[in-house]
Amino acid sequence: EAGVTQFPSHSVIEKGQTVTLRCDPISGHDNLYWYRRVMGKEIKFLLHFVKESKQDESGMPNNRFLAERTGGTYSTLKVQPAELEDSGVYFCASSQEEWTVKRDFGQGTRLTVV
Amino acid sequence: LAKTTQPISMDSYEGQEVNITCSHNNIATNDYITWYQQFPSQGPRFIIQGYKTKVTNEVASLFIPADRKSSTLSLPRVSLSDTAVYYCLVSQGGGTSYGKLTFGQGTILTVHP
Repeated sequence: EAGVTQFPSHSVIEKGQTVTLRCDPISGHDNLYWYRRVMGKEIKFLLHFVKESKQDESGMPNNRFLAERTGGTYSTLKVQPAELEDSGVYFCASSQEEWTVKRDFGQGTRLTVV
Repeated sequence: LAKTTQPISMDSYEGQEVNITCSHNNIATNDYITWYQQFPSQGPRFIIQGYKTKVTNEVASLFIPADRKSSTLSLPRVSLSDTAVYYCLVSQGGGTSYGKLTFGQGTILTVHP
């Protein structure tokens, strides 16, 4: 069974550009989560999808970040326009159950904004 | 959400048992204790979860005393491949806070030959 897959693995963009990160959860996992670790900080929660609905987006830092999960399968996280402080590693995770602390993480996308 | 405190780093040698203790003094009645492992350039990986007493799986054991204000992750006979960051998390049972999974700084475990 394929795990959580994230694309791209690395992305280097200039400040002001747009970047879209993609996450393919494990098949059948209705719950999809985005996290990120910015330089020197801890891994922080961004948002949680249940199927295609946003269950909790309290961790989204500002309106430059837009997450979608049309059709309840894969998800995208768009940053527009990107700022230097957005650099970091963005993790996606998925789980079959909603009320669980056990989830499968992807390998992450390393975003560098220059 | 309860704050967790764990050592920043630990060193061990192959074949030894490693115990990583995490304190969570403000743990609430319906909080669960979870441990994740993270290798470089990978996402965190779930290791074990518990509520009280002792839990064991094929990877580790988790010891939780009666007051639940701390927990100890025990890794038996570590190998070089166990070198990783280990995170202790306290997660509220029920409600949307399950989604947040608050990660702290973690413990960097280095296993030496």
